[in-house]
Amino acid sequence: RKEVEQDPGPFNVPEGATVAFNCTYSNSASQSFFWYRQDCRKEPKLLMSVYSSGNEDGRFTAQLNRASQYISLLIRDSKLSDSATYLCVVKAAGNKLTFGGGTRVLVKP
Amino acid sequence: GAGVSQSPSNKVTEKGKDVELRCDPISGHTALYWYRQSLGQGLEFLIYFQGNSAPDKSGLPSDRFSAERTGGSVSTLTIQRTQQEDSAVYLCASSLMGLATLSYEQYFGPGTRLTVT
Repeated sequence: RKEVEQDPGPFNVPEGATVAFNCTYSNSASQSFFWYRQDCRKEPKLLMSVYSSGNEDGRFTAQLNRASQYISLLIRDSKLSDSATYLCVVKAAGNKLTFGGGTRVLVKP
Repeated sequence: GAGVSQSPSNKVTEKGKDVELRCDPISGHTALYWYRQSLGQGLEFLIYFQGNSAPDKSGLPSDRFSAERTGGSVSTLTIQRTQQEDSAVYLCASSLMGLATLSYEQYFGPGTRLTVT
């Protein structure tokens, strides 16, 4: 089983709709969680950290479920510019980050 | 300010040749990471440097891969006797680590696209 697993998608989303997807992790000792965004043929960039109580940044909401070992990302009012691959990132002990394979989101007019 | 830079941006090499990839992290960042990303795949961790500590080499796929970080700044990833399966984008990232920060945000360079023919 991979340490961090994501549905590769693509999630085809009408513009203005809401989309949500999860990421599961296998290490129960994982400490920190992040969502990164990667545009086609570009480097990944941090979208948001994921806090235990859940957090929101504009149209983006991240949740953590430690009991079931997954994090989620919800995008409201999708924009065409939200089309990208969203990478789930998990930090266990130490300073190494483990990246999921990414979930591809395509927002269409 | 200046971000993470990598060179070359593209490298085409013949099978069996050695290649060196360079990464200049953000000034002051103590942690430096190398990843590999094959087409359509996720990031594969290769190696991690933190300050003066021994590097975490657990992700290096074979002994043909090595990396060093001189003076706590610039890093070089070397691949000896390249194989076609080494073709990928090699990404470098740096982060500011320390007791004062709870952020592990990694800032990525643009990557080096390596093609082994």
